[in-house]
Amino acid sequence: AQKITQTQPGMFVQEKEAVTLDCTYDTSDQSYGLFWYKQPSSGEMIFLIYQGSYDEQNATEGRYSLNFQKARKSANLVISASQLGDSAMYFCAMRNIYNQGGKLIFGQGTELSVKP
Amino acid sequence: DAGVIQSPRHEVTEMGQEVTLRCKPISGHDYLFWYRQTMMRGLELLIYFNNNVPIDDSGMPEDRFSAKMPNASFSTLKIQPSEPRDSAVYFCASSSRGTPAGSSGNTIYFGEGSWLTVV
Repeated sequence: AQKITQTQPGMFVQEKEAVTLDCTYDTSDQSYGLFWYKQPSSGEMIFLIYQGSYDEQNATEGRYSLNFQKARKSANLVISASQLGDSAMYFCAMRNIYNQGGKLIFGQGTELSVKP
Repeated sequence: DAGVIQSPRHEVTEMGQEVTLRCKPISGHDYLFWYRQTMMRGLELLIYFNNNVPIDDSGMPEDRFSAKMPNASFSTLKIQPSEPRDSAVYFCASSSRGTPAGSSGNTIYFGEGSWLTVV
């Protein structure tokens, strides 16, 4: 069965420092996508970054990068130069296109707090 | 381009009343998803459609919940009768079908959510 695990319920980081949010996944499929979403206190789900299982390079989007270690089945999100506006819940998610019909499975989330 | 549009944004209703949530997916997307988010259970997939056809409704809690997608640009999630335990944020989301796993076309985009309170 597919599963996403985020072991850090809450994290604190000092403004302007980098932070890593952990995510491990479990799947027997070869073709899948990994995602990170941000949910601020206002509630919307904001797509941050995507990594395909066949992508050889780690994905980057501005201050966000995804540290993809396929053999270890981990997809950690790295936020560089944290800003106060980064305080939010962060969800790791996985989508198996071919065998699971495309549904997105979420982890439990990590609440990030950025300190001034 | 417009994102996923949901309505209403907020609804407060009395137990036993019918609730209808609406969603307009991103134009050109052929997958549509309904998720529910609560503190206790996190994000749960209720049902999803591909090309307007329901593919997996195993997450629908019970017969009080129903969802339809009459065309590619509109879907509804209906709760009848509503109960206090249905109070949650209901998200609609959509995506296209990226063919290889390496395609960012696999990304699922979410609406802003419908905040439902049943009293």
